[in-house]
Amino acid sequence: EPEVTQTPSHQVTQMGQEVILRCVPISNHLYFYWYRQILGQKVEFLVSFYNNEISEKSEIFDDQFSVERPDGSNFTLKIRSTKLEDSAMYFCASRGQESSYNEQFFGPGTRLTVL
Amino acid sequence: GQQLNQSPQSMFIQEGEDVSMNCTSSSIFNTWLWYKQDPGEGPVLLIALYKAGELTSNGRLTAQFGITRKDSFLNISASIPSDVGIYFCAGRRGAQKLVFGQGTRLTINP
Repeated sequence: EPEVTQTPSHQVTQMGQEVILRCVPISNHLYFYWYRQILGQKVEFLVSFYNNEISEKSEIFDDQFSVERPDGSNFTLKIRSTKLEDSAMYFCASRGQESSYNEQFFGPGTRLTVL
Repeated sequence: GQQLNQSPQSMFIQEGEDVSMNCTSSSIFNTWLWYKQDPGEGPVLLIALYKAGELTSNGRLTAQFGITRKDSFLNISASIPSDVGIYFCAGRRGAQKLVFGQGTRLTINP
């Protein structure tokens, strides 16, 4: 069964450093998303991406964040200068064709720890 | 912003018992979803609901989309050890983002 994959599974970085989280969505899916989950809290939407551009973003997704689909398979989330409060699980999700009945499939997540 | 209130926050039950949890919102959603999250994993979709009043089952799981479109519940019958985890409701209005509830942590005593 096709699945969303994410690398690395765990990233430890120093405050102020740049990190890139990588995702490989399900092949032939068209819509891509990033969510984050601070430890013990709910999953929060960050950004959605379709047709090579951001279609929606949340207040969390400020100028320090960017997303990119550099090739036909990868979807990345970059945090330019990490802060302590960026420590969280980051989930990538993808969705297929435009239809009200297609749902998002989530990857296993990347745990980001900012020291 | 849009918020989903999910209850209870946690449940401690005996194996074999039935479980019920629910979500309410002040806003209308067109789609209600229920996900399960195991430790260190991403959310896995359990049930999707698309029509107000819809009642849908997936094995021992049953979920309903409230008639007002502002609430949903999930029932698990005859719980087993592998049901342990965190259950999240999520609402979707259009084609894009999901709004998640705070989660219900289910613990089962054998």
